[in-house]
Amino acid sequence: EIVMTQSPATLSVSPGERATLSCRASQSVSSNLAWYQQKPGQAPRLLIYGASTRATGIPARFSGSGSGTEFTLTISSLQSEDFAVYYCQQYNNWPPEITFGQGTRLEIK
Amino acid sequence: QVQLQESGPGLVKPSGTLSLTCAVSGGSISSSNWWSWVRQPPGKGLEWIGEIYHSGSTNYNPSLKSRVTISVDKSKNQFSLKLSSVTAADTAVYYCARDEGLVGAIRVRAFDIWGQGTMVTVSS
Repeated sequence: EIVMTQSPATLSVSPGERATLSCRASQSVSSNLAWYQQKPGQAPRLLIYGASTRATGIPARFSGSGSGTEFTLTISSLQSEDFAVYYCQQYNNWPPEITFGQGTRLEIK
Repeated sequence: QVQLQESGPGLVKPSGTLSLTCAVSGGSISSSNWWSWVRQPPGKGLEWIGEIYHSGSTNYNPSLKSRVTISVDKSKNQFSLKLSSVTAADTAVYYCARDEGLVGAIRVRAFDIWGQGTMVTVSS
């Protein structure tokens, strides 16, 4: 099983500042990496797939980078609606397993 | 646009079988997408359970494989989850989700559409 490790567990950032979230895979997943945002009581929302491609309707302030085992989600200028929990997910096609990171909680500083 | 809606009992007895259905509306389950179940225990992270294609092909999380069956009913445009021998550790919000499918020639198994989720509690 590919283990996904996110850091930090909690990130405190002020509105308008930049947030940088990290995700590490226990073995290479190439660019088969997605990021999600989840707010309380809601289903996750896809932000990024293919490590760096924004999903439909996602604002440009969200960007993803990385390949192999190290990935980053950057939110360039935090808006009030961005404070939430963020998950990374790998989706290597073989073996056809999907695993999520444990999440990073982004909170208002 | 495609929408997903989970349904099923909110309470299941220990050692019993959890059964949920996901109805697909606004599109066909016979599209080029795979359809998954994902769960989230209260206050915890996300766990992929498994996926199915309209042909009936499935892939399961190895940690749950012995207890999981996912099936598809094309006539009703829905797919279902059965999880047997449940314990309190199976208490969670259960989501159904659709993957992005083919982007160019590459299959993207990221979930672009989710149901609202349904809470299932395992308790006597």
